Amino acid sequence: KAGVTQTPRYLIKTRGQQVTLSCSPISGHRSVSWYQQTPGQGLQFLFEYFSETQRNKGNFPGRFSGRQFSNSRSEMNVSTLELGDSALYLCASSSQGEGYTFGSGTRLTVV
Amino acid sequence: QKEVEQDPGPLSVPEGAIVSLNCTYSNSAFQYFMWYRQYSRKGPELLMYTYSSGNKEDGRFTAQVDKSSKYISLFIRDSQPSDSATYLCARARNSGYALNFGKGTSLLVTP
Repeated sequence: KAGVTQTPRYLIKTRGQQVTLSCSPISGHRSVSWYQQTPGQGLQFLFEYFSETQRNKGNFPGRFSGRQFSNSRSEMNVSTLELGDSALYLCASSSQGEGYTFGSGTRLTVV
Repeated sequence: QKEVEQDPGPLSVPEGAIVSLNCTYSNSAFQYFMWYRQYSRKGPELLMYTYSSGNKEDGRFTAQVDKSSKYISLFIRDSQPSDSATYLCARARNSGYALNFGKGTSLLVTP
């Protein structure tokens, strides 16, 4: 079956702009999580959605937001981009009782 | 104190060796433990998923969880050059909830 699909794969944005990243989970998975990965901090949890509801949120500023649609697809948005937002953004989906399956990520560079 | 501690390595072993990767964690209120493998410029790939304490084996991989010592281990038998990657341990309070990751251990298996 198809894995977790993230688009776009690469993105370059300017400071102050906003960006929207997309994630299509594995068919049948209702839980979608987002993570930020940087060399210094490693993988850090952003938020998790289940059936269109945000169930958990990590310790990130309000500039980071997300949503989930009725078909379980999810988007995350970062407004007023800062240089420090440059990272690999990973989406993962899960079914009850299973571990998370990650996508290949979107590499965001803020210049 | 970091929630999940993991030696960053790098760890270099000859092909065929047995590899032992370890993590320690604080707070025993976590039930789910996972090991992920991440190749350069790819998303993490789920290797092992365990619940509570005990061992779990899958092919050349064995995951071990000791909740009394707050210690998680991954053993790789007959290591191959294709095992060269970064290995990440993770934990979650409950299935489908946020994952806390270690920073990852870089493994190099030389022919």
